[in-house]
Parts: sequence; structure tokens; C-alpha cells
Amino acid sequence: QLQLQESGPGLVKPSETLSLTCSVSGGSISRSSYFWGWIRQPPGKGLEWLGNIYSSGTTYYNPSLKSRVTLSVDTSKNQYSLKLSSVTAADTAVYYCARGAAAELDYWGQGTLVTVSS
Amino acid sequence: QSALTQPPSASGSPGQSVTISCTGTSSDVGGYNYVSWYQQHPGQAPKLMIYEVSKRPSGVPDRFSGSKSGNTASLTVSGLQAEDEADYYCSSYAGSNNYVFGNGTKVTVL
Repeated sequence: QLQLQESGPGLVKPSETLSLTCSVSGGSISRSSYFWGWIRQPPGKGLEWLGNIYSSGTTYYNPSLKSRVTLSVDTSKNQYSLKLSSVTAADTAVYYCARGAAAELDYWGQGTLVTVSS
Repeated sequence: QSALTQPPSASGSPGQSVTISCTGTSSDVGGYNYVSWYQQHPGQAPKLMIYEVSKRPSGVPDRFSGSKSGNTASLTVSGLQAEDEADYYCSSYAGSNNYVFGNGTKVTVL
């Protein structure tokens, strides 16, 4: 059974860079038929697609966040990462990693809350 | 890209049906047969319930069904059960490897 697990600091200061890693187990991140995504959900609000990455390293970002988001993949560790720069309180959210197939997200991590505060 | 439009809430009694709409544009919902639906219980990660408009992943009850007409997709939950009470989100491919979610609908089982 495929499992995804987010990890990283739960508190980030304003203007700094948020960094999270998603560790994948029970399957290889290198399968070319899938993509690997990040989604976030501010407290009490809806879901927002941040971006996707393929095992080749090809990335696609939400246009509204493109200038601040960077995704990377490390196939040797079976994990991929998110960096979001210049964070503000508006970036406080639960961040999810998920596997994508065609255009749907079929496996999700449990999510990790990141709070932006000084 | 703007969020897809969903009603904030929907409700039904046990055994009844409830239908949730998801309205987009010809650039997303209307342009592709890549609409998916997710169920989210409080404090949990979303769960895929429907993909490619009307397909159900293994393990999802056939009480859940999806459809699309023009720029609007719909999720119908038939034979409502207490465990169906949750938030539901639609999502659509929006071209150029972009994806957009709906703003979510809270389903209440009366």
C-alpha cells in the first residue's frame, strides 16, 4: 500500500522560506506514469493546488504562486520537496503531498500544519 | 485561475439522495473530462471518490456517482448514510498542467 508522509518545520517566520519533504513508501517515485503534487488548505478553508513534479524533474506550478514555489525530487531517497519563499501569514495552512494519476490525486499524505508567525 | 463554484452546503435525510454541483468554465470543467471529487472528514486528508467525471476508484461505494454537462459537473450521493457527512471538493484539469479545486460543499445528514 502506497504511503506518503510530509515532514518539516511546523513554524516558519514571515519572509522566510517554508521547506517540506514528502517521503514515499510502498512504491517507487520513479514510475513515469504518475506525478507528485503539493496541495494546501488554510484553516477552515478550501484546497489549493500548488504544483506537480514528475520523477524526471519536470515541474508545473500554480500560476498564482509560481514566483515563490519550487519543487524538487530525489529519486534515490524516494522523496520530493516543496519550497515556498517569502512567506506571510496567508501561507499558514495544512500542506498535503499526494500522488497524481492522469488528473486525479489518488493517494494523499496525512498533511502537516505550517504556521507562519514571528 | 479561479476556484470552481460549489454550493456551500447541502443536506439530506438518511436514505435520500443529495447532488452537489461544481461550475467552472470552458477552460476547465467544460474543456476536459478530467473532473474528480474528494471527500474530506474533519481532521483528515481528502479521499478520492470520483475521477474522470464518473469513474469510481476501487472501494468507493456505488452510491457515489458523477456526471457532467457543459461547464458544470455533479456528484450525487444516493442512499445517504451518516458516514457520508463530510466536506466535498471537486477538481478539474485546467490545461497547461494546471489544476483547480472547487471551494467545497459541506454535506449534512439530517
